[in-house]
Amino acid sequence: AQKVTQAQTEISVVEKEDVTLDCVYETRDTTYYLFWYKQPPSGELVFLIRRNSFDEQNEISGRYSWNFQKSTSSFNFTITASQVVDSAVYFCALSGATYSGAGSYQLTFGKGTKLSVIP
Amino acid sequence: DGGITQSPKYLFRKEGQNVTLSCEQNLNHDAMYWYRQDPGQGLRLIYYSQIVNDFQKGDIAEGYSVSREKKESFPLTVTSAQKNPTAFYLCASSIPTALNQPQHFGDGTRLSIL
Repeated sequence: AQKVTQAQTEISVVEKEDVTLDCVYETRDTTYYLFWYKQPPSGELVFLIRRNSFDEQNEISGRYSWNFQKSTSSFNFTITASQVVDSAVYFCALSGATYSGAGSYQLTFGKGTKLSVIP
Repeated sequence: DGGITQSPKYLFRKEGQNVTLSCEQNLNHDAMYWYRQDPGQGLRLIYYSQIVNDFQKGDIAEGYSVSREKKESFPLTVTSAQKNPTAFYLCASSIPTALNQPQHFGDGTRLSIL
């Protein structure tokens, strides 16, 4: 079974502060992918990044950066110099190589972290 | 532009009534999914379909039904057997056999009981 834990339910920061969203996962698969999605107030989930289990290089994309550590089963997401537009619910998700029946690689989502950036 | 269209955006259900949520995609994806989102619960998988005329139950399929008669369409029916249907419903699609392919989501339908 797969499991994703986002221990932070809600976080509030003042604009321009840095903020890190935590994600811890459990899987028995050796091959898997991790994803981060953003859900703004409008409701749709927007794909942000994916990382495979064999690539522990950290990644930076503009104000966003991701820290993948296999040793601690964590895939944390940092927003630098936060902005009001970053206010959203952020989901971490896991896709493992174990699949059922018709061959679907199902996504397991964490419960999400609601980020509020205060101007 | 390619994407996923869910309709309606808001839906109200009376007691004992079945309602159908629409999901259409023009991304040419074979796989489609329905999720339910409750406050503080994250997303839970209701049903998924890998190909036309085939679909599988997810983690919380009871009280729901689906059909997949066309590649582009994957409607979800919330039946009267679903006793707590109030939630936000999200439809998604993806390339099914690729572990690394992200799912693309629609804007969602918010269902409430009258």
